[in-house]
Amino acid sequence: AQSVTQLDSQVPVFEEAPVELRCNYSSSVSVYLFWYVQYPNQGLQLLLKYLSGSTLVKGINGFEAEFNKSQTSFHLRKPSVHISDTAEYFCAVSLASGGSYIPTFGRGTSLIVHP
Amino acid sequence: DAGVIQSPRHEVTEMGQEVTLRCKPISGHNSLFWYRQTMMRGLELLIYFNNNVPIDDSGMPEDRFSAKMPNASFSTLKIQPSEPRDSAVYFCASSSDTGFEAFFGQGTRLTVV
Repeated sequence: AQSVTQLDSQVPVFEEAPVELRCNYSSSVSVYLFWYVQYPNQGLQLLLKYLSGSTLVKGINGFEAEFNKSQTSFHLRKPSVHISDTAEYFCAVSLASGGSYIPTFGRGTSLIVHP
Repeated sequence: DAGVIQSPRHEVTEMGQEVTLRCKPISGHNSLFWYRQTMMRGLELLIYFNNNVPIDDSGMPEDRFSAKMPNASFSTLKIQPSEPRDSAVYFCASSSDTGFEAFFGQGTRLTVV
């Protein structure tokens, strides 16, 4: 079985400050890891993904994440946030099953950027 | 491509009525997922299809929920009869067998009064 834990339900931060959103996963096999962002009243859109190779992955909007196998973590970071980054962020892990890769999501972290 | 298209965007219905949510996946994608999002439970996978065949419906909460995928370009999620506790945002997502990420629609916000 696989699961995803997002350790913070809410992260308040001031504009232009750095931010880290934490994600830990559990899986008995190799995993594919993702971060999605959800703006109000919208669907989820992919920020970045880790499939293999370099453990540091870069995504859209200046976000990056680092895969740490020993700590089973996939934390999301941005060196300087903008007001427009205020949104809900979801970490997800995918496993192959029945011909599909099935995403399992964490509970989400609400990033609130203050001016 | 227009992405995953869901309809309607909003649905308000009375308890006991039948509700049908619709989804058009991205052309060429062979996996389709239905999720439900609530404050209490987050994002829950209800059911997923591969090549139009339901693979796992263990997330469907009750027999009142059913889903179909009659062809590669269309899927429905039906609730009959609906109850107030079904109020949530329902998302459809699709993915290809050469990719690993799911692409989401805008969601249907269902309110059962």
